[in-house]
Amino acid sequence: AQSVSQHNHHVILSEAASLELGCNYSYGGTVNLFWYVQYPGQHLQLLLKYFSGDPLVKGIKGFEAEFIKSKFSFNLRKPSVQWSDTAEYFCAVRAGTASKLTFGTGTRLQVTL
Amino acid sequence: DTAVSQTPKYLVTQMGNDKSIKCEQNLGHDTMYWYKQDSKKFLKIMFSYNNKELIINETVPNRFSPKSPDKAHLNLHINSLELGDSAVYFCASSQGLAGMETQYFGPGTRLLVL
Repeated sequence: AQSVSQHNHHVILSEAASLELGCNYSYGGTVNLFWYVQYPGQHLQLLLKYFSGDPLVKGIKGFEAEFIKSKFSFNLRKPSVQWSDTAEYFCAVRAGTASKLTFGTGTRLQVTL
Repeated sequence: DTAVSQTPKYLVTQMGNDKSIKCEQNLGHDTMYWYKQDSKKFLKIMFSYNNKELIINETVPNRFSPKSPDKAHLNLHINSLELGDSAVYFCASSQGLAGMETQYFGPGTRLLVL
């Protein structure tokens, strides 16, 4: 069965620092990839998604992610984080023709002033 | 104009009780889901309905029974609640199957079983 790994469980950054959150999946076929964000006390929202085409995907709020097929990775990046980016970030994968998403365990990002 | 709504937002109950959580979406989507998020924030799908038909039923105790009276509603009934059922339950919806389309999540129902 496919799995999704987010090795960074808790990341603490100062404002204006650059961010990269790792996401690796275990599936050799076609994948659709997502990053969702959960702000404190709120529901999950889509940040960005990759289906096909340009492997560098831009999302909302200045986030981007790069799909590297050879590394089975879809890392999330932001050049300069803000305090308001403090949240839980979830990577999710749809493997092949599956009718569900498999989520990673999430990375808690804490941005300090 | 909430897209996906859940009631109640908080639910505190005793072990052994039966409870229901309701979910409604006004997005016109044809697929709805229930997820369980445990204390470590791990998010796992439980059920998925497409046009009122069950299409995903993960390894979930049969004490959990989803019901979809129409495309806009997916309710979750839990019998004989156990301590381990304490979690946040999220409802979600999408137009088409998950992974092809963006899922929209509800605000969650925080269930605490004492």
